[in-house]
Amino acid sequence: DPKIIQKPKYLVAVTGSEKILICEQYLGHNAMYWYRQSAKKPLEFMFSYSYQKLMDNQTASSRFQPQSSKKNHLDLQITALKPDDSATYFCASSQNPDSSQNTLYFGAGTRLSVL
Amino acid sequence: AQSVTQPDARVTVSEGASLQLRCKYSYSGTPYLFWYVQYPRQGLQLLLKYYSGDPVVQGVNGFEAEFIKSNSSFHLRKASVHWSDSAVYFCAVRGGSNNRIFFGDGTQLVVKP
Repeated sequence: DPKIIQKPKYLVAVTGSEKILICEQYLGHNAMYWYRQSAKKPLEFMFSYSYQKLMDNQTASSRFQPQSSKKNHLDLQITALKPDDSATYFCASSQNPDSSQNTLYFGAGTRLSVL
Repeated sequence: AQSVTQPDARVTVSEGASLQLRCKYSYSGTPYLFWYVQYPRQGLQLLLKYYSGDPVVQGVNGFEAEFIKSNSSFHLRKASVHWSDSAVYFCAVRGGSNNRIFFGDGTQLVVKP
């Protein structure tokens, strides 16, 4: 059974709309992340959260907003969607955000297409 | 700043042949190094990791990697590849104040029957 659940698997949106990508992890981890994978940049770090607090943010645009309602949830809200936002968005988690030794575990991704 | 270079975007080998996927990293401190594999339409899965000790680390499915500090390299190897090994392989380094993990651009491995 998948331990990191991302919903939906596929998402089609129109330019200018808003979407929320869902991520839940059942590994008991304390840190969660979002990565983006597109043809232009194969795997790009976006955000990291630790104990529901923002730890690191590499995304320049404020259109991307992570939301953590519970420790094991980290959703990604994207507003004013653009075609360039088309990519696969991966959620990941790790046990202890303070340790370099921690391994990232990935979900299967949400493939977003913006028309 | 940390960075990872995978110089080969695509590698094609015949089934049963040996394999080496190259990875070079840049990091001034003690690197924590990883290899991940991504099968089509799936998330990344950990193959192996290196923190310290024996520079040759064993991973799943017969993969291994060798950390060579003098060369800043962490190449992935397998003695005999199988068609099911066809996938994209990512090398990664973790470190720095935020413990962020940096991925290389990936190497697409194609195993010919």
